[in-house]
Amino acid sequence: GQSLEQPSEVTAVEGAIVQINCTYQTSGFYGLSWYQQHDGGAPTFLSYNALDGLEETGRFSSFLSRSDSYGYLLLQELQMKDSASYFCAVGHDNRDDKIIFGKGTRLHILP
Amino acid sequence: DVKVTQSSRYLVKRTGEKVFLECVQDMDHENMFWYRQDPGLGLRLIYFSYDVKMKEKGDIPEGYSVSREKKERFSLILESASTNQTSMYLCASSLSTDSNQPQHFGDGTRLSIL
Repeated sequence: GQSLEQPSEVTAVEGAIVQINCTYQTSGFYGLSWYQQHDGGAPTFLSYNALDGLEETGRFSSFLSRSDSYGYLLLQELQMKDSASYFCAVGHDNRDDKIIFGKGTRLHILP
Repeated sequence: DVKVTQSSRYLVKRTGEKVFLECVQDMDHENMFWYRQDPGLGLRLIYFSYDVKMKEKGDIPEGYSVSREKKERFSLILESASTNQTSMYLCASSLSTDSNQPQHFGDGTRLSIL
């Protein structure tokens, strides 16, 4: 079967750094994506990794290790507005853009 | 910016009714998707479409059907609504058949079946 595992909740302090992990088990692999969703809002795309290594976009970075079927999202200089749910997602079929989402990690930020 | 618009933000229907959820995107995207989101279960794919009049089942298609008569519009149909279909429904679109194309989501329709 296809599965993605990520922690259900993470808590961190404003200004700190937090890492949200994602491990996957899928029949194929065509990239790892991350999405952010604020309460009551739509998921929005954050990043995409197709190759091993670190991709940086401002305060957010995403890492992938295909040999370990593992990736993470790193959020630096946390701000209260980063309080949201974060979903990893894997493309497992190159015939289409269908992706599988993890169940999401709720990030709580303390002042 | 890509705009994905879902016709209703909140909807209340009764068991047994036929329910239509509409989604329109304005960026000429090839692919469109319907998900439902439930607490603790994440986003689960119901159906998707990669072209007009084309559709494929996702992970949980039972009790649903879809229609894509025009490229910009993708409709989700609950043939005979049941209480277990109470959920948040999210529509998304993506540019083309390429794994690195991000999906753009609408704001969702919170559907309650009484």
